[in-house]
Amino acid sequence: GENVEQHPSTLSVQEGDSAVIKCTYSDSASNYFPWYKQELGKRPQLIIDIRSNVGEKKDQRIAVTLNKTAKHFSLHITETQPEDSAVYFCAASPNQAGTALIFGKGTTLSVSS
Amino acid sequence: DTGVSQDPRHKITKRGQNVTFRCDPISEHNRLYWYRQTLGQGPEFLTYFQNEAQLEKSRLLSDRFSAERPKGSFSTLEIQRTEQGDSAMYLCASSFSQGGGKLAFFGQGTRLTVV
Repeated sequence: GENVEQHPSTLSVQEGDSAVIKCTYSDSASNYFPWYKQELGKRPQLIIDIRSNVGEKKDQRIAVTLNKTAKHFSLHITETQPEDSAVYFCAASPNQAGTALIFGKGTTLSVSS
Repeated sequence: DTGVSQDPRHKITKRGQNVTFRCDPISEHNRLYWYRQTLGQGPEFLTYFQNEAQLEKSRLLSDRFSAERPKGSFSTLEIQRTEQGDSAMYLCASSFSQGGGKLAFFGQGTRLTVV
């Protein structure tokens, strides 16, 4: 089955710096790749997603890139702010008909001011 | 709040007891998922419904676990003979299948503690 690896597990940046989180997946049939942000004690919230027919997607300070050949995708956060501090999870959807998301283990991002 | 709602938010139970959790998805969403999340880990898929049909089950879903979605609306997840290893956050999510949408919106979760 699908396996998603995420790194780094922790990331500390200064306010205003950029942060990059990378994920790799194993199943070439995966076609949907969302990113979730989870603050302490709260639900995971979808922040951006990308489908396999697109190489890059941007939403304000957040962007996601996808390399289908290498089977990896990345989250880029620019001009980081303290409120970006949270755990970020990548996920992959492993097949066309089903929709179960397989998650990475998460990256704890700390933005210090 | 018109999002996914879960009840209860917290449950403490003694080992060996049965527990049942409820999830109410976003009303127009026909897909419903259950995930389990332990500390420091990403959500792990348990099972998935499209309308009332349970279409996929993870091998994590042992025979002590059962999920239902009787009328294609709310869902229940029951754990029988709870064990300490069942302690986790149980998350429900829902999405809409049409338009190729796979956006999944999560509920606040039910935190289970087995003592």
